[in-house]
Amino acid sequence: QKEVEQNSGPLSVPEGAIASLNCTYSDRVSQSFFWYRQYSGKSPELIMSIYSNGDKEDGRFTAQLNKASQYVSLLIRDSQPSDSATYLCAVRDTNAGKSTFGDGTTLTVKP
Amino acid sequence: EPEVTQTPSHQVTQMGQEVILRCVPISNHLYFYWYRQILGQKVEFLVSFYNNEISEKSEIFDDQFSVERPDGSNFTLKIRSTKLEDSAMYFCASSVVGSNQPQHFGDGTRLSIL
Repeated sequence: QKEVEQNSGPLSVPEGAIASLNCTYSDRVSQSFFWYRQYSGKSPELIMSIYSNGDKEDGRFTAQLNKASQYVSLLIRDSQPSDSATYLCAVRDTNAGKSTFGDGTTLTVKP
Repeated sequence: EPEVTQTPSHQVTQMGQEVILRCVPISNHLYFYWYRQILGQKVEFLVSFYNNEISEKSEIFDDQFSVERPDGSNFTLKIRSTKLEDSAMYFCASSVVGSNQPQHFGDGTRLSIL
């Protein structure tokens, strides 16, 4: 059974701070990793994807991947109240088309 | 920007009735998926569909469930005899070929079984 674990949260940070979200996965053949943002009652919205070890930056978001440790993280710099949402980590392997999701971490950014 | 569209946004059905959820994937995408999310729980994979056949399905996707691509644009999920525990948000997603390609999700259909 492939597992994706996220830090349980909820996570609360002040506006302007860095929010750090973490995810570990159990299946070593996993090849691609995605962070989605989900507002309450809405569908997952893709924020970042990462496939290679190291960091990938896109605006205020940085994804970090360490395949040896089976660990992927998302940093949100200069957090804004509009970033308040549940962040989902999703993992795909090379052969199956499906994504396996973690439970999500709920982030609250306080003004 | 092209998007995945789902109808209806909310479906209320009596237990035991059949329900069909509809999706129009992004036009150049070739992989199609259904996921569900029970309130307060994680997003769970149901089924993937490629080249007009199921490529993978989860344990949840039992004989009560079926998928179909009846024409060149629609992708449907049918639940033959609904149960109370089928109440959930159902998300359709699509992607181009390749595990590195992200899945794009529709807005979902909220299914309520009474």
